[in-house]
Order: sequence, then structure tokens, then C-alpha cells
Amino acid sequence: IAGITQAPTSQILAAGRRMTLRCTQDMRHNAMYWYRQDLGLGLRLIHYSNTAGTTGKGEVPDGYSVSRANTDDFPLTLASAVPSQTSVYFCASRRNRGGWNSPLHFGNGTRLTVT
Amino acid sequence: DAKTTQPPSMDCAEGRAANLPCNHSTISGNEYVYWYRQIHSQGPQYIIHGLKNNETNEMASLIITEDRKSSTLILPHATLRDTAVYYCIVRVNSNSGYALNFGKGTSLLVTP
Repeated sequence: IAGITQAPTSQILAAGRRMTLRCTQDMRHNAMYWYRQDLGLGLRLIHYSNTAGTTGKGEVPDGYSVSRANTDDFPLTLASAVPSQTSVYFCASRRNRGGWNSPLHFGNGTRLTVT
Repeated sequence: DAKTTQPPSMDCAEGRAANLPCNHSTISGNEYVYWYRQIHSQGPQYIIHGLKNNETNEMASLIITEDRKSSTLILPHATLRDTAVYYCIVRVNSNSGYALNFGKGTSLLVTP
């Protein structure tokens, strides 16, 4: 079934450790996004990529980095995790060509706890 | 992007229509209204979007006022599985690629 796969599903991480959240889509969508979701704050955009080879900063990019080496993969890296990065992380994608934007498709999230 | 205002929570009886309002008084002429929902422990799911005209699909109907300053998402026959947080977002439909900014949404509880 086509869609977005995120891994891991959940993770407990010691502060100061490095962590990469994986995101893969098989819909050939050119645009991909990372959000974090925290209670009372809704979904906030961390980073995005309009197409392979390009990335941009969202609303809350500090402490995170991304890369987009190909169309399908958009990993999110925490170089040195801090407790405030405890959150649920969602990856999303959509087709962003042809004069209109398709809706966002989301993965089922990664629940990250930084201790 | 225009800011949206939604009630934090609503209740609806199963089988009845659920009408979820959204105010977007600062919306500009080229901004679309999008609705997504998020069922507990899942990623958000697209429902519907529109610009000026009312829209309907297999999931819901979207009613946009003539001045476009508000809209209503209608779930015609709510079921228990429609219990979720519903997000109203306004966004320019363009190739710039910038993502939708989600607010806090409306938590809809469908009761038996």
C-alpha cells in the first residue's frame, strides 16, 4: 500500500545523543515536511523540502537538520538531543507541481522521549 | 497565511450532523480553506478544501460564506469513528511548496 513510512515508531533517547528519524514515501511526491506535535501547541513545521536537493526552515528549526538526497527519503536529525525535543514527530509529503497542490499525506508518527 | 479561529471542543450525537465552524476574517483572495482531522495516535488526514464555492466529497461538505471570512465543515451523519481533532487552515494554493500551518483545532467528540 502506497504511503509514508516513519521509523522508529517510538524511541527513548538520552540527552546529548544523536538521533535520526527516518521517513520514506513511495508516492513520488516532490515535497516533504517534518512537523512536531506537542500538547496544546498543535502541529508546528520544523523543516521542509520542495524537491530533492533542496530544504528550507520552518517555524521551529533550531536543533534539527534535514537532508533530501533523493525523492523518497527525508531524514530528520537531532545532533544533540535535549529534553525539550520530547515530542511526536510527523513526516508528510505531497505533490507540488502542475499548478496546484495536492493535500498533505502524513505518516503515523515517531514518539520521541529525551531523558 | 491568514489566522484561523476554531472552538476548542464540540460534542455531537452519533447519526447527527456535525457542524464545525472556523473564522478566518483576514483571508485574502487567493487563499484556500483546508480541513484536516487527526484521530488519536494517528497522523493527520486530509478531508476537503475550497476557495469560494461550497465543496462536497465522500467524507464531508465545506460551506464557505460569501465574504469568505468564515466556513463550516459538515459531517452529515457523524459516527463514533469521527471523534478526532479537526484543523481548519487557510493557505495560498501555489507552487511555492510552503507547508500548511496547523493551529490547535477543534476536538470533536461523537457520543452514542
